Amino acid sequence: RKEVEQDPGPFNVPEGATVAFNCTYSNSASQSFFWYRQDCRKEPKLLMSVYSSGNEDGRFTAQLNRASQYISLLIRDSKLSDSATYLCVVTVNTPLVFGKGTRLSVIA
Amino acid sequence: DAGVIQSPRHEVTEMGQEVTLRCKPISGHNSLFWYRQTMMRGLELLIYFNNNVPIDDSGMPEDRFSAKMPNASFSTLKIQPSEPRDSAVYFCASSFLNSPLHFGNGTRLTVT
Repeated sequence: RKEVEQDPGPFNVPEGATVAFNCTYSNSASQSFFWYRQDCRKEPKLLMSVYSSGNEDGRFTAQLNRASQYISLLIRDSKLSDSATYLCVVTVNTPLVFGKGTRLSVIA
Repeated sequence: DAGVIQSPRHEVTEMGQEVTLRCKPISGHNSLFWYRQTMMRGLELLIYFNNNVPIDDSGMPEDRFSAKMPNASFSTLKIQPSEPRDSAVYFCASSFLNSPLHFGNGTRLTVT
């Protein structure tokens, strides 16, 4: 089983839609969780950390389910500018292990 | 603040040639990571350093790859000899303790 698994997509959604991605991880000792965003031909950039109690940042909500070993990212009221690849990141101390990403296309 | 700086941005070379990628981490960061990204395999960790010391190089594909970090502000990743299957985007990233990674712009390597 791969360490971090994501549905590669693409997810094609209309503007204003709500979309959710899940990511599963295999190491139950994983301690830290993040979502990164990567635009085409650019470097990955931190979108948000994922905390045990769940956390929200504007239109973005991240949740962690330790029992089932997955994290999720919910995007509400999606914008054209949200089109990107979203990478799930898991770590036990260092180093970070990246999923292959889920591609999102928001369509006008 | 200057971010992670990588050079060159693009490198095109013929197979068999030596390739050297360079990275300057963010000042004050004590960990440095080299990743390789391809469509097929995604982002793969090649090697990482803590306080200039290589900690885990198990991701380095083979002996043709080597990395050094002679001081806190500079690291190199060398491929010798290069092969077409080494074509990828190579990212350098740095962090402080367990803070999230900050990536450089990457080096797009094409080996013909």
